[in-house]
Amino acid sequence: KAGVTQTPRYLIKTRGQQVTLSCSPISGHRSVSWYQQTPGQGLQFLFEYFSETQRNKGNFPGRFSGRQFSNSRSEMNVSTLELGDSALYLCASSPHRGAENTGELFFGEGSRLTVL
Amino acid sequence: AQSVTQPDIHITVSEGASLELRCNYSYGATPYLFWYVQSPGQGLQLLLKYFSGDTLVQGIKGFEAEFKRSQSSFNLRKPSVHWSDAAEYFCAVGEGSWGKLQFGAGTQVVVTP
Repeated sequence: KAGVTQTPRYLIKTRGQQVTLSCSPISGHRSVSWYQQTPGQGLQFLFEYFSETQRNKGNFPGRFSGRQFSNSRSEMNVSTLELGDSALYLCASSPHRGAENTGELFFGEGSRLTVL
Repeated sequence: AQSVTQPDIHITVSEGASLELRCNYSYGATPYLFWYVQSPGQGLQLLLKYFSGDTLVQGIKGFEAEFKRSQSSFNLRKPSVHWSDAAEYFCAVGEGSWGKLQFGAGTQVVVTP
C-alpha cells in the first residue's frame, strides 16, 4: 500500500497570502488528521475529519480551515498568512473504526511552509 | 487539563548502551499512550502503544515501554541502541478520538560511536 501522500512538500509564501495543502490518505483509511509542527510549540493538533465531517478542531484561529472529500482526501487552507505560520504541516490517516483500527496514526512526510 | 511532559529535551548515548526516555502524563481517565519516532525529514512512525492490560509493552525496533499508573509515567527503553536510533522521540496521549493526540515536546536522541 502506498503511504500518506502530502503535496506540496515545500512551499514559500509571503505574509497575507493564502495556502492550500493536500493530503491523500492510505487507501481504505477514512479518517484524516492534521498537525502543525514548529520548533517553539512542537506538535499541535489542527483538525480531524471523518466521512467529510470535521470531528475535532484544535485551538487555532479561524484562518485555519480544512475539508475532506468523498474519496477521503483532505485539504487544509491557511488564509492571511503570518510569519508564525511557518511550520511543518503533517497529515495522518487511520481506518478510524472497526477491527482495522489499532489506534495507530500513519503520518505523511509533511508540507514545509515558509512564510516570508 | 491533559498534558504530556518529556523532561529531557536532548539525550546523547553511546552506540550499544541502553536508552531510557521519560514521559509523564496528566489525564483523568485511563489514558491511551503512544510513543512515536521522527527521523530527519520524515513523518512520525509509531513505536508502540498502551491501551490496557499488560503494563510492559513491546514495540518495533527493539523498544519497550512500561506504564506506571502510580507515577503517571510511560517511559521508553531500549537495551542496546544502534546508530540508526538517532531521531526525535515523541510521547503522546489520546484525547478521546483516534485522530487527536496530544504530544510531548519530544526528546532528541544523539548516538555517538
